[in-house]
Amino acid sequence: DVKVTQSSRYLVKRTGEKVFLECVQDMDHENMFWYRQDPGLGLRLIYFSYDVKMKEKGDIPEGYSVSREKKERFSLILESASTNQTSMYLCASTPNTEAFFGQGTRLTVV
Amino acid sequence: QKEVEQNSGPLSVPEGAIASLNCTYSDRGSQSFFWYRQYSGKSPELIMFIYSNGDKEDGRFTAQLNKASQYVSLLIRDSQPSDSATYLCAVNDFGNEKLTFGTGTRLTIIP
Repeated sequence: DVKVTQSSRYLVKRTGEKVFLECVQDMDHENMFWYRQDPGLGLRLIYFSYDVKMKEKGDIPEGYSVSREKKERFSLILESASTNQTSMYLCASTPNTEAFFGQGTRLTVV
Repeated sequence: QKEVEQNSGPLSVPEGAIASLNCTYSDRGSQSFFWYRQYSGKSPELIMFIYSNGDKEDGRFTAQLNKASQYVSLLIRDSQPSDSATYLCAVNDFGNEKLTFGTGTRLTIIP
């Protein structure tokens, strides 16, 4: 079975903190994604990566950065957390067909 | 910007009836189409994908694609209470890794 693991299920951070969300997949997939999901807005793509050290902006990259130093790991970084970044964050990986999702990280910024 | 539109619902369907979920997309270059199911508090999981015009059946589920009308649908036959969930439509271009989701339709099956 494909496994996509996100480092935390729940996180509470303070405004202005630097926040790291980690995602690891075990299927050697080329492509990895970070989405955020908010009620009424669906899944919105933040960043994606199609290879090690490669990254592309999604639809809402502002306030976020990413890192992919190894194929299996894709990290999302909130440089200075703000309350409007309170959301459910979902990581996914895909071999260009089906996307496999992690369990999600519910981040609350206070 | 590529858009994927879905009716947010809620859509209520009696148990045993056919549930019909619809999705339209704006980019004519879209090549691959996916339906995901998401239970409350859980991550999305793939139900079906379709690449070619026409119907594709898998058990109680049928995906329908009409590229000329830029329309993809999901039919669920003999609906069960366990089908109650949010259904997400997603599209991407052939060779393009970006996967764009609609906002989802919340489906409730009434026993």
